[in-house]
Amino acid sequence: DTGVSQNPRHKITKRGQNVTFRCDPISEHNRLYWYRQTLGQGPEFLTYFQNEAQLEKSRLLSDRFSAERPKGSFSTLEIQRTEQGDSAMYLCASTGAHIGTDPNEAFFGQGTRLTVV
Amino acid sequence: AQSVTQLDSQVPVFEEAPVELRCNYSSSVSVYLFWYVQYPNQGLQLLLKYLSGSTLVESINGFEAEFNKSQTSFHLRKPSVHISDTAEYFCAVTMNYGGSQGNLIFGKGTKLSVKP
Repeated sequence: DTGVSQNPRHKITKRGQNVTFRCDPISEHNRLYWYRQTLGQGPEFLTYFQNEAQLEKSRLLSDRFSAERPKGSFSTLEIQRTEQGDSAMYLCASTGAHIGTDPNEAFFGQGTRLTVV
Repeated sequence: AQSVTQLDSQVPVFEEAPVELRCNYSSSVSVYLFWYVQYPNQGLQLLLKYLSGSTLVESINGFEAEFNKSQTSFHLRKPSVHISDTAEYFCAVTMNYGGSQGNLIFGKGTKLSVKP
């Protein structure tokens, strides 16, 4: 297993365009989290899934943001009508709950850096 | 609601000197505490965690942190740093759900710069 994978690593888009990011968690990890990190700040929680169910959404997740995890494996985060304020690093993390895993250790991907121009 | 304060945004130290990175948290409920490290051009990695039991926890590369409930602190220390410890360190908390992790609340991070 190569860890949590995020694609693309970098995305530059024009204001008003839609963008979609993908996260592939560690296989068999049932929980998947999305965070956003802006310059000089720590990561901020956006949303998380347990299997395919989206269990919690932060108030940071405006109605322009939508996340899915249709088969309980990979997840996508879509931002519609992007704004300059959406420029940030978008991080994905996963945790496992099965025997042999530590449910309290989140494994992070390297993130997708979004720049809205 | 929980919050995390990392008082120092940057800490420059010389190699082999001791270092302490400070972290204070606020929460009305029981929490789990974590330190994550981010090396240049890499993702966040778990350094150490406190869930319960001994208040002093250690990492495999010589860092330690002590949970102090009365002071609501979880400071990270290392008695002698190496150039390779240069990285950004994030303190984080999550509510104690009794066995599984909820979402993490992070501090703003402390950039540790180790100079020769």
